[in-house]
Amino acid sequence: GAGVSQSPSNKVTEKGKDVELRCDPISGHTALYWYRQSLGQGLEFLIYFQGNSAPDKSGLPSDRFSAERTGGSVSTLTIQRTQQEDSAVYLCASSAGTSGDTDTQYFGPGTRLTVL
Amino acid sequence: AQSVTQLGSHVSVSEGALVLLRCNYSSSVPPYLFWYVQYPNQGLQLLLKYTSAATLVKGINGFEAEFKKSETSFHLTKPSAHMSDAAEYFCAVSEGSGGAQKLVFGQGTRLTINP
Repeated sequence: GAGVSQSPSNKVTEKGKDVELRCDPISGHTALYWYRQSLGQGLEFLIYFQGNSAPDKSGLPSDRFSAERTGGSVSTLTIQRTQQEDSAVYLCASSAGTSGDTDTQYFGPGTRLTVL
Repeated sequence: AQSVTQLGSHVSVSEGALVLLRCNYSSSVPPYLFWYVQYPNQGLQLLLKYTSAATLVKGINGFEAEFKKSETSFHLTKPSAHMSDAAEYFCAVSEGSGGAQKLVFGQGTRLTINP
């Protein structure tokens, strides 16, 4: 079946502009995660969704970052007033969200964001 | 908070040689541990995971890892390297409870295979 997809694959924007990054999880997966991969910080957790609610937003670096998920499926990560330090690859992952034996997170190909 | 340390940001081996990528973790509770591989311009692919069922875990592409609680280690090995194994490898520990199992990653190890 189809894996996790993300769009756009690349995004170049100017400092101060807003950007939206999209994630389509695997069909039926209730859990969705956003991570950021940058040269200086490695792979960092940003936010987690279970269904449409976000019980863990602890990794969002500032209030310029927000995310939502609708219909228990697609998620959008929005960065307002982008800064150069926001340049990174943004990875989305989804999992079945089952309890007990931890389930596997499947990753999308990422969106490479460059802020000029 | 849990953390993961990968010893060696770059590892280079000859084709056919043993691959050993090191990972140490810190955790106050029995952890769930993972190895992911990332090929250029792609997302992360799960190689294997440890969930306390067995200390020696076999994964895809001939990789395996052994959980050693006394050493807080989860090193990744492959007996014979192939050119296609060239990639970046990430060790991760899960953190959270219930359904929230966010991953905490090590800094990654870039594996180069010499012909």
